[in-house]
Amino acid sequence: GESVGLHLPTLSVQEGDNSIINCAYSNSASDYFIWYKQESGKGPQFIIDIRSNMDKRQGQRVTVLLNKTVKHLSLQIAATQPGDSAVYFCAENMSGSSYKLIFGSGTRLLVRP
Amino acid sequence: EADIYQTPRYLVIGTGKKITLECSQTMGHDKMYWYQQDPGMELHLIHYSYGVNSTEKGDLSSESTVSRIRTEHFPLTLESARPSHTSQYLCASSTRGNTEAFFGQGTRLTVV
Repeated sequence: GESVGLHLPTLSVQEGDNSIINCAYSNSASDYFIWYKQESGKGPQFIIDIRSNMDKRQGQRVTVLLNKTVKHLSLQIAATQPGDSAVYFCAENMSGSSYKLIFGSGTRLLVRP
Repeated sequence: EADIYQTPRYLVIGTGKKITLECSQTMGHDKMYWYQQDPGMELHLIHYSYGVNSTEKGDLSSESTVSRIRTEHFPLTLESARPSHTSQYLCASSTRGNTEAFFGQGTRLTVV
């Protein structure tokens, strides 16, 4: 139900700067990871994904880095724009559990004009 | 834009009422999911389905139930709503060979 609890961590960046959003995942058996963007009042939207046999993948203005040793995932956004302001979630899928995505706690990105 | 739709977008209902949140997708996806999300918090999986006549409970315990009689339709029902059910409910779907999930806009439920 409703919860007055922890607020999401917030990253504030200047428009035009690069943003780095970090995520620690929980299960060393996870083999597929996705970054989602959620704007206010909307459902999450796919940004980029990466499989565990890779350590880097690039998209348009975004790069995902995977460090399996420390179970860490990061999303880099180049030349951050006001439209990038949103909450960003990482999600993991565990090998052998192909039907479930487990979401991390999210980071709010605020872009200053 | 993904073709997955949720209705209603917003619902305010009294305690004890039975409600059904609708979710439909036109992509022919086998897998469908329901997530619960409190404001400013992460998404928690409450139900998922591999395909028709298949449903499983997710990681977060929920008093809701789901059904999957048709591929495109995955409704969620609360038999007796309580204030603790107040939250946002997000439906998603994905293909069998791809874990990427497409989300609907969500239903924001308030139980008074």
